[in-house]
Amino acid sequence: DVKVTQSSRYLVKRTGEKVFLECVQDMDHENMFWYRQDPGLGLRLIYFSYDVKMKEKGDIPEGYSVSREKKERFSLILESASTNQTSMYLCASSFEQGADEKLFFGSGTQLSVL
Amino acid sequence: GQNIDQPTEMTATEGAIVQINCTYQTSGFNGLFWYQQHAGEAPTFLSYNVLDGLEEKGRFSSFLSRSKGYSYLLLKELQMKDSASYLCAVRVMGGSYIPTFGRGTSLIVHP
Repeated sequence: DVKVTQSSRYLVKRTGEKVFLECVQDMDHENMFWYRQDPGLGLRLIYFSYDVKMKEKGDIPEGYSVSREKKERFSLILESASTNQTSMYLCASSFEQGADEKLFFGSGTQLSVL
Repeated sequence: GQNIDQPTEMTATEGAIVQINCTYQTSGFNGLFWYQQHAGEAPTFLSYNVLDGLEEKGRFSSFLSRSKGYSYLLLKELQMKDSASYLCAVRVMGGSYIPTFGRGTSLIVHP
């Protein structure tokens, strides 16, 4: 069964802390994505990666960075967490090319920045 | 960019039929997805349309009209477990295959 695993379900951090959100997929997918989901705003793309060591900015990359050292792992980094980064963070993956290229999502990490 | 619009919330009765609409304005349209997301859970794929017409999958069907920039998700024989958010996402042609999501429609099914 297809699986995208996010390391933490809930996370509480303090303003200014460096935060790492980890995501691992076991499907040998080329593409991996980080979204944040906020009430009334839907899913917004932060960063994505289409290959190891490759990354592209999404719609809202400010305040975030990413790392993809291995194909199966995609990390989201908040260099200095701020309260406006309190959100649900969803990782997803997909094959590089396909008729539908549907996304497979992890269960999400609810991050609270105090 | 893409402008994707769907109703914020809908309610329906168990056993009934509900239609969730999604309109979009984009250039280089290359497919439309519907995802279901139960509260506190990950979104899961429901359907994909790239050509005009209706795609049926059991109780769920999805329709697309490219000329009108319009899609709908039709849920028949509603069950309580269908209470969830339904996310419309549009993909455009380009170097990457990244769908842009609408804000989602929260469907409440009551007895």
